[in-house]
Amino acid sequence: GESVGLHLPTLSVQEGDNSIINCAYSNSASDYFIWYKQESGKGPQFIIDIRSNMDKRQGQRVTVLLNKTVKHLSLQIAATQPGDSAVYFCAETHPNTGNQFYFGTGTSLTVIP
Amino acid sequence: EPEVTQTPSHQVTQMGQEVILRCVPISNHLYFYWYRQILGQKVEFLVSFYNNEISEKSEIFDDQFSVERPDGSNFTLKIRSTKLEDSAMYFCASSVGLAGGAEQFFGPGTRLTVL
Repeated sequence: GESVGLHLPTLSVQEGDNSIINCAYSNSASDYFIWYKQESGKGPQFIIDIRSNMDKRQGQRVTVLLNKTVKHLSLQIAATQPGDSAVYFCAETHPNTGNQFYFGTGTSLTVIP
Repeated sequence: EPEVTQTPSHQVTQMGQEVILRCVPISNHLYFYWYRQILGQKVEFLVSFYNNEISEKSEIFDDQFSVERPDGSNFTLKIRSTKLEDSAMYFCASSVGLAGGAEQFFGPGTRLTVL
């Protein structure tokens, strides 16, 4: 079966520091990856995506890095703010599964003021 | 800003009963999805729906589950005879295009509790 996993279930950072959340995936055919943020009582919210033909993509305060060699994905949040506290999921899909996303377990990020 | 809405926010039912979870996707979206999340676990894909038919479903989506788009706005998930293990958050999502090419927007979820 599919395996998308996260290295750390929890992460605490000081406000203003940078955060790095990691994710491993097992399917080398995966070609599209998304990071989602889920706040308590809400559905997943899109943060940033990346395709397999790229190794880095930047958004506003967020950067996603993709290392296909070791099947590893990371999310970097610059100058972490209290509002960034949430659970972060990586999700991936590949051509064989069409619309089906496979989600990781999630990392709970806590920002300490 | 357009958003996916879901009702009810919380549904409590007895084992063996039928439940219908409702979703209103974003109006110009063409692809619709249901996911579930058992407490403390990962989000799991159930089904995708396009052009009034199921385009893909997971192993979880067995004969007890069905989806329907009864009109131009609603998208429903029916569980025919609920089991205790169906207790979870159920998320509806919609997108303009396919998963690899378009962002999926998620609703706030319906918490289903089966007693």
